Amino acid sequence: EPEVTQTPSHQVTQMGQEVILRCVPISNHLYFYWYRQILGQKVEFLVSFYNNEISEKSEIFDDQFSVERPDGSNFTLKIRSTKLEDSAMYFCASSDELRDREDEQYFGPGTRLTVT
Amino acid sequence: AQSVTQLDSHVSVSEGTPVLLRCNYSSSYSPSLFWYVQHPNKGLQLLLKYTSAATLVKGINGFEAEFKKSETSFHLTKPSAHMSDAAEYFCVVSDSGNTPLVFGKGTRLSVIA
Repeated sequence: EPEVTQTPSHQVTQMGQEVILRCVPISNHLYFYWYRQILGQKVEFLVSFYNNEISEKSEIFDDQFSVERPDGSNFTLKIRSTKLEDSAMYFCASSDELRDREDEQYFGPGTRLTVT
Repeated sequence: AQSVTQLDSHVSVSEGTPVLLRCNYSSSYSPSLFWYVQHPNKGLQLLLKYTSAATLVKGINGFEAEFKKSETSFHLTKPSAHMSDAAEYFCVVSDSGNTPLVFGKGTRLSVIA
């Protein structure tokens, strides 16, 4: 069964450094998402992406964040200058546009980002 | 604005006994409702979803959920717990397709042998 994959599984970085989290969505899906979960808190929506542009973003997704689909398979989240409070589990998800399936988002296993 | 409240942060059951994980939602629209499960070191897996068809929804691994509009609830049940059901369960709501999901805080299910 096709699945969403994410790399790396764990990333440790120093405050102020740039990080790029990578995701490979399910191949026929057209909608892509990033969510994050700070330890002990809810899973929160960051951004959605469709047709090579951001379709929706939350208040969390400020100028420090950016997303890109650099090729036909990868979807990346970049944090330009990491802060301690960016430490979280970051989940990538994808969904297709078929009627009755468009609300089903399939998640990757997550990347645990630790900022020191 | 949508929101989800999972009434229990931790539920512990004995193997072979019923499971009940409670969820209440708030939504201005006719919502889509989901339950996701997360096993340790795994991604979030879609267990089942409700989208205004039958109010009793069957999912994978023997789980079911019943949509009750009058109670704004979407509780998850299973008749008989198995050790492999031990995981974190999330109740989730969304307005419509391809829109952000809104998660509850999660309920950790422990199954005792």
